[in-house]
Amino acid sequence: GQQLNQSPQSMFIQEGEDVSMNCTSSSIFNTWLWYKQDPGEGPVLLIALYKAGELTSNGRLTAQFGITRKDSFLNISASIPSDVGIYFCAGQSGAGSYQLTFGKGTKLSVIP
Amino acid sequence: DAGITQSPRHKVTETGTPVTLRCHQTENHRYMYWYRQDPGHGLRLIHYSYGVKDTDKGEVSDGYSVSRSKTEDFLLTLESATSSQTSVYFCAISESEVTDTQYFGPGTRLTVL
Repeated sequence: GQQLNQSPQSMFIQEGEDVSMNCTSSSIFNTWLWYKQDPGEGPVLLIALYKAGELTSNGRLTAQFGITRKDSFLNISASIPSDVGIYFCAGQSGAGSYQLTFGKGTKLSVIP
Repeated sequence: DAGITQSPRHKVTETGTPVTLRCHQTENHRYMYWYRQDPGHGLRLIHYSYGVKDTDKGEVSDGYSVSRSKTEDFLLTLESATSSQTSVYFCAISESEVTDTQYFGPGTRLTVL
């Protein structure tokens, strides 16, 4: 099946620093999604991307749909303690598929 | 927040017993999904439904069955639970397959002893 490689697996940063994470795939996706999961909760959608090259922001979060359609990036600016959690990318290949393929997550820790 | 509830939220059971997990939505969304989440594997799709009585298999469907008799309810059944099915199970819903923006429930933590 399709696989997404998400990196880094984990990161420790100082409060106020910017964060970057990315997902790559060997397959083309028509939709890229970024989720955040807090401990004991379900994932919550942060940003959805539908077009190659698209750059979308949600507050301090910015995500990009790679021009090759095989990758996506998420940036968090000026991190704060509540940014702690696991961030997942997910891709949908389209073509009648209802299924999302998820990355394994990036665990973010913010040091106050 | 999307109106999705899962029950039970926690369950401990023994190997070989049947288990049913319930997902209930109040959004009237057509599509519903069951995922399992395990360390090092992220989220993997078990089964999904694209309408009442319309279901299909996902990536890791072996050992699981589903049913959807009403728009709002999607049941996941483990006919004979095994220790390898110890996991956190998430239900998700989406309005259409085009946007495929899925909203997740709070999860059920299942432990099979």
